[in-house]
Amino acid sequence: KAGVTQTPRYLIKTRGQQVTLSCSPISGHRSVSWYQQTPGQGLQFLFEYFSETQRNKGNFPGRFSGRQFSNSRSEMNVSTLELGDSALYLCASSFHAGQPQHFGDGTRLSIL
Amino acid sequence: GDSVTQMEGPVTLSEEAFLTINCTYTATGYPSLFWYVQYPGEGLQLLLKATKADDKGSNKGFEATYRKETTSFHLEKGSVQVSDSAVYFCAPRSTDDKIIFGKGTRLHILP
Repeated sequence: KAGVTQTPRYLIKTRGQQVTLSCSPISGHRSVSWYQQTPGQGLQFLFEYFSETQRNKGNFPGRFSGRQFSNSRSEMNVSTLELGDSALYLCASSFHAGQPQHFGDGTRLSIL
Repeated sequence: GDSVTQMEGPVTLSEEAFLTINCTYTATGYPSLFWYVQYPGEGLQLLLKATKADDKGSNKGFEATYRKETTSFHLEKGSVQVSDSAVYFCAPRSTDDKIIFGKGTRLHILP
């Protein structure tokens, strides 16, 4: 059974650009969550989607957005990139919200 | 709001030592509790879980008991190995079904 797949694995962008990250959950999983991981702040929750609807949102500015498609695949978008957005972005999936999550290997985003 | 506090690292132990990583949480109701582990160069993975008071989760020699009275879920292992070197995250499920992650405890095991 394939795990959670995140693409791309690495990204380099410059300030002011925007970026879209993709996540394919484990087959059958309908809940997808996104996290930002940095050395200073640890793992911070971005948002969670279930059946194409955003169920929960963390304390991030509106530049961070996401969506989920009918096949449960999810994308997150960050606009007007800032240096502080450099981080490892992790996607996690589960059958339902609040259940143990399976994580992808993440997308490492570097802002120059 | 719901929150979690886990001991700060790094924690450095010798092989075969006893390990405890403390974790306390604040939440209303009876949240499920999880420990996740992140090995070097790998993604997070679930280590163990407990879904109700007095439950003991266990996996790979690690154990944690859901203590409702002290709102704690401390991670323990009787004899650590070099291969246990990783970052460990305590993660309760909040009342709105979010999973809240602690800041992580980095564990170094010396041979």
